Amino acid sequence: NAGVTQTPKFQVLKTGQSMTLQCAQDMNHEYMSWYRQDPGMGLRLIHYSVGAGITDQGEVPNGYNVSRSTTEDFPLRLLSAAPSQTSVYFCASSYGRIPGNTIYFGEGSWLTVV
Amino acid sequence: SQQGEEDPQALSIQEGENATMNCSYKTSINNLQWYRQNSGRGLVHLILIRSNEREKHSGRLRVTLDTSKKSSSLLITASRAADTASYFCAYTGGANSKLTFGKGITLSVRP
Repeated sequence: NAGVTQTPKFQVLKTGQSMTLQCAQDMNHEYMSWYRQDPGMGLRLIHYSVGAGITDQGEVPNGYNVSRSTTEDFPLRLLSAAPSQTSVYFCASSYGRIPGNTIYFGEGSWLTVV
Repeated sequence: SQQGEEDPQALSIQEGENATMNCSYKTSINNLQWYRQNSGRGLVHLILIRSNEREKHSGRLRVTLDTSKKSSSLLITASRAADTASYFCAYTGGANSKLTFGKGITLSVRP
């Protein structure tokens, strides 16, 4: 049981480039989400999904796109990278549509935009 | 911002001592959870307490919830060097599917 798998672990982008952070879970969880973690800011929700075909914005959605074509996958796309998007990104999932259960986190993706 | 607030922001204690961390929030909640994050790793779930519960235990962890004060506390008893990590509270409220995190507490346990 792999849990939540994020790739890549580390990435350096140039300003204006686009990329996709991949997230997959093998626990058949309905709820999936993306957070970014910045020093002194804790974790802030970017986008989340309560099931295949359903996505919604979190606290800091600007500059990011998501889709949920399958239950297992929830990729996060940076459309035109900016230095302000330098951060650590975490994908998370849980059973059910409201995260009242244990949230499982991936190991994180360290992104630097230069 | 509806983000939760933990205090203190940093805590340094000696091995064997108890560590108490507090979390305050601004909205009504369904449940509140505590997570641990070791340096360079993802978050690991520690314990969940529902809005109709006042206290919960798990091993050396004790969590309390006071909905009238919109606050929760996490107590780690008989701390160990391996407890050194950042600790976060997180909560959901109403029909909202968003899990809101606090800014975290850095705990250092000196051997």
